[in-house]
Amino acid sequence: SQQGEEDPQALSIQEGENATMNCSYKTSINNLQWYRQNSGRGLVHLILIRSNEREKHSGRLRVTLDTSKKSSSLLITASRAADTASYFCATGTNTGNQFYFGTGTSLTVIP
Amino acid sequence: DTEVTQTPKHLVMGMTNKKSLKCEQHMGHRAMYWYKQKAKKPPELMFVYSYEKLSINESVPSRFSPECPNSSLLNLHLHALQPEDSALYLCASSQDGVFRGDSPLHFGNGTRLTVT
Repeated sequence: SQQGEEDPQALSIQEGENATMNCSYKTSINNLQWYRQNSGRGLVHLILIRSNEREKHSGRLRVTLDTSKKSSSLLITASRAADTASYFCATGTNTGNQFYFGTGTSLTVIP
Repeated sequence: DTEVTQTPKHLVMGMTNKKSLKCEQHMGHRAMYWYKQKAKKPPELMFVYSYEKLSINESVPSRFSPECPNSSLLNLHLHALQPEDSALYLCASSQDGVFRGDSPLHFGNGTRLTVT
């Protein structure tokens, strides 16, 4: 399987705290994307970072990418109860038309 | 609300039934995908269509049969399923036809399938 792995599997924090989740992958990639999934719903794209980028910001989200370690991290700052969801990394490969998701992190933000 | 529409939202079927899942997008996207997701697991890629042609079949059993009638529609025909096929089936689309991960996937909210 080309699926990546994320840690932690589950994370519970207080509202206002920061949440960090990590993703490791196995193959060479063109870029890496992060998605959020609320319970029972489809996935929503959050941010894309290309293989030649090391860090990217979008609002309260900060993503880093280390291609030498085949890893990425997602930081959510000043978390809110509405951030409660599962978060998945996904890798786009060089061979095209293949897009694999990591194992996911379940985030709970306690009001 | 999502720009990718999936019907039905819920489906219960017996192992001898034939049913179809439908997916529609009107964003002009050139690639469409079927994913299967079991509870508390990540989505698993099943099929990819690029410019209405099947590009990827991730060794999916033949009881699942995809169809792309046109660039906006994607179907998944189901026949003789097993209880272990019960899952959330997600459809997605992306702008790029020859998808190299340069554009995001847009997901529908899925069809919750239960096989009895």
